[in-house]
Amino acid sequence: KQEVTQIPAALSVPEGENLVLNCSFTDSAIYNLQWFRQDPGKGLTSLLLIQSSQREQTSGRLNASLDKSSGRSTLYIAASQPGDSATYLCAVRPSNAGNMLTFGGGTRLMVKP
Amino acid sequence: ETGVTQSPTHLIKTRGQQVTLRCSSQSGHNTVSWYQQALGQGPQFIFQYYREEENGRGNFPPRFSGLQFPNYSSELNVNALELDDSALYLCASSLGLAVGLDNEQFFGPGTRLTVL
Repeated sequence: KQEVTQIPAALSVPEGENLVLNCSFTDSAIYNLQWFRQDPGKGLTSLLLIQSSQREQTSGRLNASLDKSSGRSTLYIAASQPGDSATYLCAVRPSNAGNMLTFGGGTRLMVKP
Repeated sequence: ETGVTQSPTHLIKTRGQQVTLRCSSQSGHNTVSWYQQALGQGPQFIFQYYREEENGRGNFPPRFSGLQFPNYSSELNVNALELDDSALYLCASSLGLAVGLDNEQFFGPGTRLTVL
């Protein structure tokens, strides 16, 4: 059974810092990995999707890497801003099943002005 | 192009009651997945519907059931509500099921269910 873990569970940083969020998964048979952002009480906004054959994806100040063999992904946020404050979730899609996602518990990020 | 919509936004029920949540998929999408997100946790997969048939189910009891309609909108029904059913229920739509397709899931805003 696939298990996804995110560390740390919560993070508080001053504005301007570069930061790294970690995601690990137990079964490397994945089709893709996706990072989402969730504001309090809201739905999920997709940030980056990495296919299993890819090593990284970039969008603006965000960069996500994937090491499938070791079961790890990182989300790097450059020059953090108060508007980045949210919960960040990673999710994996299995390579041998339908289109269902297994999520980690999330990292709650607070960027202080 | 319309995104995924869900209704209602919020709902309060009492233990033992039944509830129906609704989801309209993004235009052109034929697959709908439902997730339950308890406070402070990541979403958990409930089940998925593809072309009106259930295709995949997570670790949820039979009192969680669903439907998908010919226009690919979907309902989630929960019978005999329990306090632990209090959560944010998220719906996601995508195109197709098969591995190999670029079928990213797009999420709706969710329905917040409170069971008293």
